Amino acid sequence: AQKVTQAQTEISVVEKEDVTLDCVYETRDTTYYLFWYKQPPSGELVFLIRRNSFDEQNEISGRYSWNFQKSTSSFNFTITASQVVDSAVYFCALSEAFLSGYNKLIFGAGTRLAVHP
Amino acid sequence: KAGVTQTPRYLIKTRGQQVTLSCSPISGHRSVSWYQQTPGQGLQFLFEYFSETQRNKGNFPGRFSGRQFSNSRSEMNVSTLELGDSALYLCASSESGVASSPTGELFFGEGSRLTVL
Repeated sequence: AQKVTQAQTEISVVEKEDVTLDCVYETRDTTYYLFWYKQPPSGELVFLIRRNSFDEQNEISGRYSWNFQKSTSSFNFTITASQVVDSAVYFCALSEAFLSGYNKLIFGAGTRLAVHP
Repeated sequence: KAGVTQTPRYLIKTRGQQVTLSCSPISGHRSVSWYQQTPGQGLQFLFEYFSETQRNKGNFPGRFSGRQFSNSRSEMNVSTLELGDSALYLCASSESGVASSPTGELFFGEGSRLTVL
């Protein structure tokens, strides 16, 4: 069955430290998307990235970078030089083309990141 | 551009009652999805509507239902409320779904927080 595992429940870092949030997924589908979303205290989820299963190129956006490795079924997220504003809960999610439908996102349990000054 | 609007933001009901939650998507968006977020089960997909048709449904009992109107606004209804239905209900919209849009972004509202006593 499809599944997303975020083993780190909570991470606490000091500002300017680099931090990596882990995400491991399981799917039998050959075509799928992976996502990262951020949930600040206000509650709404904020989109960070989508990556499709055929594109294993790493992506960098400012202080954010993502490492997708199909061989280990992982899609990890790194924040470089963390800032207090990065404090939030981060969710990794999976959507499958055929087995469950693209528009059904399967979320991991989330990782709560606390960045202290 | 106005974001996704969910009403009401907070509500308290008692067991056995029913509740209707409303979601107004971003103008031009025709896909609306609903998610339930609880501390125990995390974020779970309820259903997704596109052009007034339900395209996908999660594993929730029949007490959970939804619909979408011709203006893309959506409502979800929970009948015969149980204590376990206490949750944050999140609505998300996109132009036509996560696969067909350029970025795959879902735009989430701030949610409706339901407490069942």
